[in-house]
Amino acid sequence: KNEVEQSPQNLTAQEGEFITINCSYSVGISALHWLQQHPGGGIVSLFMLSSGKKKHGRLIATINIQEKHSSLHITASHPRDSAVYICAVPDPLDFGNEKLTFGTGTRLTIIP
Amino acid sequence: NAGVTQTPKFQVLKTGQSMTLQCAQDMNHNSMYWYRQDPGMGLRLIYYSASEGTTDKGEVPNGYNVSRLNKREFSLRLESAAPSQTSVYFCASSPNTGAPNQPQHFGDGTRLSIL
Repeated sequence: KNEVEQSPQNLTAQEGEFITINCSYSVGISALHWLQQHPGGGIVSLFMLSSGKKKHGRLIATINIQEKHSSLHITASHPRDSAVYICAVPDPLDFGNEKLTFGTGTRLTIIP
Repeated sequence: NAGVTQTPKFQVLKTGQSMTLQCAQDMNHNSMYWYRQDPGMGLRLIYYSASEGTTDKGEVPNGYNVSRLNKREFSLRLESAAPSQTSVYFCASSPNTGAPNQPQHFGDGTRLSIL
């Protein structure tokens, strides 16, 4: 099973700050998922990336396959970005890459 | 477009009672999943279905049964609820069209308390 570690567990920042959330995993993978869990509980997929960098609006995700590490950045953070951010990686024994192992999440709070 | 719909949203049971959590998706996805989320832990896979008529155990299947009724619906049954099954349960689906690493789409969750 792939071990997934996220840091920090909790992060509080002022509105406008640049945010970085980190994810490390133990076994090489073909792709990594970033998800967002809203305060109300709903979970949405943000990114899936296998190399380099992806950007959606103010969110940027990067991955270094050799170092088994990914980061999620938020530029110009806003209170509506307050959520739990979760990274997930495929089970190395699942060749279809359908089964995921999830990190415990980073709880982000942006103060106005 | 409803996506993944879970019912009920909240439920309180007594130890030993049984219940079925319902999940339906309208995206014509092949794969469906049941997860549980507990404080301080990541989402853990209970059962998985790669296609209609097939199911597979995940990381924490004990105490649960599932049924993939058709392509749209995937239900999770607790035959004799235990306090350790108090959790938030999420259903998810993904296309599983043969291409690897496809995103999963989640329902809003069911908050289940076992007294």
